[in-house]
Amino acid sequence: DGGITQSPKYLFRKEGQNVTLSCEQNLNHDAMYWYRQDPGQGLRLIYYSQIVNDFQKGDIAEGYSVSREKKESFPLTVTSAQKNPTAFYLCASSHFLGPQHFGDGTRLSIL
Amino acid sequence: AQSVTQLGSHVSVSEGALVLLRCNYSSSVPPYLFWYVQYPNQGLQLLLKYTSAATLVKGINGFEAEFKKSETSFHLTKPSAHMSDAAEYFCAVSDRGYGGSQGNLIFGKGTKLSVKP
Repeated sequence: DGGITQSPKYLFRKEGQNVTLSCEQNLNHDAMYWYRQDPGQGLRLIYYSQIVNDFQKGDIAEGYSVSREKKESFPLTVTSAQKNPTAFYLCASSHFLGPQHFGDGTRLSIL
Repeated sequence: AQSVTQLGSHVSVSEGALVLLRCNYSSSVPPYLFWYVQYPNQGLQLLLKYTSAATLVKGINGFEAEFKKSETSFHLTKPSAHMSDAAEYFCAVSDRGYGGSQGNLIFGKGTKLSVKP
């Protein structure tokens, strides 16, 4: 079945550490997105990519980085510069004119 | 710029009662509008979307929403609530600024629906 796979489901970060969240899709979608979800805040866009080897900052990109070397993969790195990384991270993808489909998320916590 | 306001962070209904979740939007261009549902510790699932065709949109699980331009609203309804409808619901509007595509979504802050037996 086609879908979006996020891993790991739970992740813990130590002070000063960078961590990478994986997002893979086999839907042949061109666009991919990363969102951060905090309780009562809705979803906020971190980065998005419309095509391979191209990506743009969203509303809250500071302290995060991404790459888009393959169409099916869009990993997100939470760097040590992100001082409040505890959140639920959601990856999504879409066709050029289609709705966004979401993965099941990664919950990141601080040790 | 687009924005979405969901009225009521928590809504509680009895099983079998009408579900009404409110969403108002602001958009400088004709909007695309969406409702998503999220169950605990899961991603978002698309319930329905409005893309400038029929103003009454039917979705999955018996939900529907009506686009009212004059009221800038896109409220979500279901005639009879089931226990399985308990979840968080998000309204979203499309930022269509990127090359004519559906672009990026701007989400409301969500409404948690509780269903009492």
